[in-house]
Amino acid sequence: DIVMTQSPDSLAVSLGERATINCKSSQSLLYNSNNKNYLAWYQQKPGQPPKLLIYWASTRESGVPDRFSGSGSGTDFSLTIASLQAEDVAVYYCQQHYTTWTFGPGTKVEVK
Amino acid sequence: DVQLVESGRGLVRPGGSLRLSCTASGFILSNYWMSWVRQAPGKGLEWVANIDQDGDKKYYVDSVKDRFTISRDNARNSLYLQMNSLRSEDTAVYYCARVAVSGFDYWGQGTLVTVSS
Repeated sequence: DIVMTQSPDSLAVSLGERATINCKSSQSLLYNSNNKNYLAWYQQKPGQPPKLLIYWASTRESGVPDRFSGSGSGTDFSLTIASLQAEDVAVYYCQQHYTTWTFGPGTKVEVK
Repeated sequence: DVQLVESGRGLVRPGGSLRLSCTASGFILSNYWMSWVRQAPGKGLEWVANIDQDGDKKYYVDSVKDRFTISRDNARNSLYLQMNSLRSEDTAVYYCARVAVSGFDYWGQGTLVTVSS
């Protein structure tokens, strides 16, 4: 089974500053036949269900602000919030869907 | 608009059973894989089970295999999760989610299952 890890567990960032979350998988998520990484990012605000932010590691879901970006390939990925807004306070999860489906443990983002 | 609404929440004793339902609207259910994901109180997300469009292919996380059964009725626009031999560690909010090629693109609001004596 593919194991997903995230770092840090939590981070506090000043409004307007950059936040970066890392996600690592125990095996490559790059599917060679289509050159796509089967890695998605979700945002979960308190009391709400998760929301899909990024898919194929770097493609923003429709309606997601462009301050959110995803990068990486293979086993190492990152989610960056370019300029943190108050409404971005949430827990962020990566998820692999290369084989079945597995979520990372989550990273809590707060305002410093 | 796409909507997913879970039902079947409840308090169950260890060893008991419960059936969750998810009613879909705003899209053609038979075109999509569907999923159940759970979240224990104060914890992260855990994928539980997925089912293909016709109900032929089903996948489960190891911890629920042989206890939980995912099923669907496309004519009733419904997804189900039959949970048997429930344990305290199954206590969680259970979400149904639509599975797109990109990921889980729509989620319900979730339904709480509490397993306690």
